[in-house]
Amino acid sequence: EVQLVESGGGLVQPGRSLRLSCAASGFTFDDYAMHWVRQAPGKGLEWVSGISWNSGSIGYADSVKGRFTISRDNAKNSLYLQMNSLRAEDTALYYCAKAATMTPPDYWGQGTLVTVSS
Amino acid sequence: QSALTQPPSASGSPGQSVTISCTGTSSDVGGYNYVSWYQQHPGKAPKLMIYEVSKRPSGVPDRFSGSKSGNTASLTVSGLQAEDEADYYCSSYAGSNNFVFGTGTKVTVL
Repeated sequence: EVQLVESGGGLVQPGRSLRLSCAASGFTFDDYAMHWVRQAPGKGLEWVSGISWNSGSIGYADSVKGRFTISRDNAKNSLYLQMNSLRAEDTALYYCAKAATMTPPDYWGQGTLVTVSS
Repeated sequence: QSALTQPPSASGSPGQSVTISCTGTSSDVGGYNYVSWYQQHPGKAPKLMIYEVSKRPSGVPDRFSGSKSGNTASLTVSGLQAEDEADYYCSSYAGSNNFVFGTGTKVTVL
């Protein structure tokens, strides 16, 4: 059974940093691309970032480019999102999701909540 | 990276059909056959319903179908059932390792 478990969310002040993690199991992690997608409270889905199986292809939404960094450790079956210079508008539930290749996600975790507030 | 445009709401009675549109540009929906559709119930993670415009993952009822014409993709739910009431989102590859989601449509079963 595919499992994606996000962690690392919490309350953080504007301008500070946070690192999200996603632990994957139930599939061959290094065969798949991965994404981070967020959903602000009561709002729609917003793609944040994606990374190919070998980290050779990476993309970011304009809203986070230069502030967020996606990475993965295939030996640890883990995906990460380093979030710097956080803003109030980054407040959201952050989902980790897998994809066959650099295509839209096909399976999602349950999310970790990030709240940016003073 | 503008969001794809979906109608805010759609509705139908049990047994009827509802179609949701997803309008983008030639740089996303119109340029690639990587359009997916997701169903999201309140408080739950999204679930993949359609991928690559019209393909259904294993376990998704054949009441769900997808299509595309030009810059607009569509999801049709036939034979509406109470459990189909949810939010639906489209997503498309947008080139250069970028992706975009739709604005979302709330489907109500009357």
